Amino acid sequence: DTGVSQDPRHKITKRGQNVTFRCDPISEHNRLYWYRQTLGQGPEFLTYFQNEAQLEKSRLLSDRFSAERPKGSFSTLEIQRTEQGDSAMYLCASSTDSVSGNTIYFGEGSWLTVV
Amino acid sequence: RKEVEQDPGPFNVPEGATVAFNCTYSNSASQSFFWYRQDCRKEPKLLMSVYSSGNEDGRFTAQLNRASQYISLLIRDSKLSDSATYLCVPFIRKGGSYIPTFGRGTSLIVHP
Repeated sequence: DTGVSQDPRHKITKRGQNVTFRCDPISEHNRLYWYRQTLGQGPEFLTYFQNEAQLEKSRLLSDRFSAERPKGSFSTLEIQRTEQGDSAMYLCASSTDSVSGNTIYFGEGSWLTVV
Repeated sequence: RKEVEQDPGPFNVPEGATVAFNCTYSNSASQSFFWYRQDCRKEPKLLMSVYSSGNEDGRFTAQLNRASQYISLLIRDSKLSDSATYLCVPFIRKGGSYIPTFGRGTSLIVHP
């Protein structure tokens, strides 16, 4: 499977614990995005990488959230001291950086439940 | 004002009907526009790109009106399998980058 891969697919954690999600983008896609989606809403932008550089980060993102893409390939999204409001689906997407080929492709998402 | 606005619906239509969805975006500097389809508890999947001149893909037609900052999607001859949420996605400038920015989606239910 050469699509975007996310892990874990489901995570249940207790409030206050830290969680980390991993995303493996499509090979040779140098753009990578993280989104968060709750029921009844569209995906909400969290952060954007071009290669290993984190170029944009949503102002809505609290300091408890951090993302990395150390070698410009896979990325991790960490949430520290989780809160019940963090329960959502976390989506990763990737694309190339050509003007004609900037369609983004999503992984299947990582579902987080904070209890 | 939200960056991307869509009527959440649901639009409840019979098979064979024609249905149209609209979307407005707030940033006139937006470039690149798409429609995505999302099934319940699944990831969004590309439906079609939206070109300035308008474009058609089978039963689906997309239109862009830059002056009015408005995108539309027309579905002809609706099928039961078209039931899903349709997400409007302009690339909107945030800082120095253009970011795919999603509306909340419009829910379509096609019934027999």
